[in-house]
Amino acid sequence: GIQVEQSPPDLILQEGANSTLRCNFSDSVNNLQWFHQNPWGQLINLFYIPSGTKQNGRLSATTVATERYSLLYISSSQTTDSGVYFCAVERGYSGGGADGLTFGKGTHLIIQP
Amino acid sequence: DAGITQSPRHKVTETGTPVTLRCHQTENHRYMYWYRQDPGHGLRLIHYSYGVKDTDKGEVSDGYSVSRSKTEDFLLTLESATSSQTSVYFCAIRLDQGARAFFGQGTRLTVV
Repeated sequence: GIQVEQSPPDLILQEGANSTLRCNFSDSVNNLQWFHQNPWGQLINLFYIPSGTKQNGRLSATTVATERYSLLYISSSQTTDSGVYFCAVERGYSGGGADGLTFGKGTHLIIQP
Repeated sequence: DAGITQSPRHKVTETGTPVTLRCHQTENHRYMYWYRQDPGHGLRLIHYSYGVKDTDKGEVSDGYSVSRSKTEDFLLTLESATSSQTSVYFCAIRLDQGARAFFGQGTRLTVV
């Protein structure tokens, strides 16, 4: 199956700092999404971004599908940004079903006040 | 927020007993998924459904079965729970192929 690698695995920053999280994948994909898992375990969909660039407030994401990577940018970090960030991809759709997203192992981000 | 409810939220059960987890959605989305989350593994797909009575296996389906008799409900059953099935289980829904996925709040299952 498709492999998804995220880096760095852990990141500790001070409030106000900027960060870049990377997601590499081993095959061409039709679908790429970024999620934030907060300290209470809830998974929040941040971006649906199979290609191109999107921005949502202090967060932005870029996917370069031809080079098989995506980047998540967090600017002016706040303590509420802490948690685990997951990249998830989907290669294609077989038969009548969508095969489901394959997740990386995540980047654990800690923002210190 | 997507209308997804997982029940129970927490469960402790004994090895060898059957367990059923429920995912209920109010969004009328076609696709539903069960994932498990374990330290060091991220989220892994167990089973998914692309319509009523239409299901298929995911990456880690051994020891699990699913059923979907109504659009809004997707059940995950552990026929005979084992300690290796101790995990946090997440349900997800999608409107269509390739669409954004939305997750329930998870069920923490402990098999003792």
